[in-house]
Amino acid sequence: DAGVTQSPTHLIKTRGQQVTLRCSPKSGHDTVSWYQQALGQGPQFIFQYYEEEERQRGNFPDRFSGHQFPNYSSELNVNALLLGDSALYLCASAGQGHTDEQYFGPGTRLTVT
Amino acid sequence: ILNVEQSPQSLHVQEGDSTNFTCSFPSSNFYALHWYRWETAKSPEALFVMTLNGDEKKKGRISATLNTKEGYSYLYIKGSQPEDSATYLCASYTGNQFYFGTGTSLTVIP
Repeated sequence: DAGVTQSPTHLIKTRGQQVTLRCSPKSGHDTVSWYQQALGQGPQFIFQYYEEEERQRGNFPDRFSGHQFPNYSSELNVNALLLGDSALYLCASAGQGHTDEQYFGPGTRLTVT
Repeated sequence: ILNVEQSPQSLHVQEGDSTNFTCSFPSSNFYALHWYRWETAKSPEALFVMTLNGDEKKKGRISATLNTKEGYSYLYIKGSQPEDSATYLCASYTGNQFYFGTGTSLTVIP
């Protein structure tokens, strides 16, 4: 079992560009959540996908959007990148319940210049 | 926005010492409390999921307690080892999302 995988590992983009990050959940998991971790902060919840729909959303602008595919893999898209979007983006997968453990991927480090 | 606080921010202990840290969270809208260990260059790893007031969980030398009425959880490490060096994160689940603390960075000195 490969666990949760994310791609790419690192990414450098320019202000105003768009970026797509990818996540494959742990085998058997159907729920995927995305988090942003800025330097010196804890992970902040962006949104959660289940059955190809956004089920919950944190306090992030509409520039952040996502998608979940029938195989449960997921994408995070960020439009009109700002310098403040520079962060580590973590993906986590779990079963359906909030008492299920979340399994995290290694993250994608996004730098916006 | 929910305020989840962890203390201390960082901690240095000698190998063999026992240690503990705190996670504080609002007791309203509480569903579950998750603890994670995050080693450098690795993914966060789930340690415990706790839901009931008075819950105590244990995994090897690491244990955790939960008080949902006053809104805190303690994580204990008995006989710290260098491999316990990591950042320990807690996250409160409110029914619609997780709120993470900023973590406690533990360094165990051999």
